[in-house]
Amino acid sequence: DQQVKQNSPSLSVQEGRISILNCDYTNSMFDYFLWYKKYPAEGPTFLISISSIKDKNEDGRFTVFLNKSAKHLSLHIVPSQPGDSAVYFCAALVQGAQKLVFGQGTRLTINP
Amino acid sequence: DAGITQSPRHKVTETGTPVTLRCHQTENHRYMYWYRQDPGHGLRLIHYSYGVKDTDKGEVSDGYSVSRSKTEDFLLTLESATSSQTSVYFCAIGAGRGGEKLFFGSGTQLSVL
Repeated sequence: DQQVKQNSPSLSVQEGRISILNCDYTNSMFDYFLWYKKYPAEGPTFLISISSIKDKNEDGRFTVFLNKSAKHLSLHIVPSQPGDSAVYFCAALVQGAQKLVFGQGTRLTINP
Repeated sequence: DAGITQSPRHKVTETGTPVTLRCHQTENHRYMYWYRQDPGHGLRLIHYSYGVKDTDKGEVSDGYSVSRSKTEDFLLTLESATSSQTSVYFCAIGAGRGGEKLFFGSGTQLSVL
């Protein structure tokens, strides 16, 4: 039972354009969402998060949008840069439960 | 890297042998986690700890045990390794106000032949 789903295994975007990564969840109890970025042979690194009381959070080139009614969140990267090429994981949890549930990941490739 | 060290970084072992992976933190965080990463599955929680001697199971805990005798160390043991446990294992600590932001170690590549 995959509670957090990233249905696109890969995404290719031209440098300078917008990258949009999507994530769906099924557990309506989730109230905190995070995005992680992972380079090969390294551990995932925290990128950005959003609480369920918000619908948008921005940090530089990265913006996360949350649509609670659709149980959907997305990560926007503008403009995309070659260093953004990585695997991106979305994750969700019920605050207080301390169990972060991850999606399968999306491999983003930024082309020059 | 948030003061997290995993050892070993690489391990090759044979089916049926016991294996212990170590995670060491210098941040004095209460929450520690073990995840495994497999293609098509993302990161799946094996076990986690919310304090010394306090641990709980994750979604893929069968075949694994953990111990936390000190705040800084969290050990993952495969009692009798199987080929299905070939994976990349990541340790993480929980930071942030409620421990919800995880910071990960660099991972251990384990191959069970």
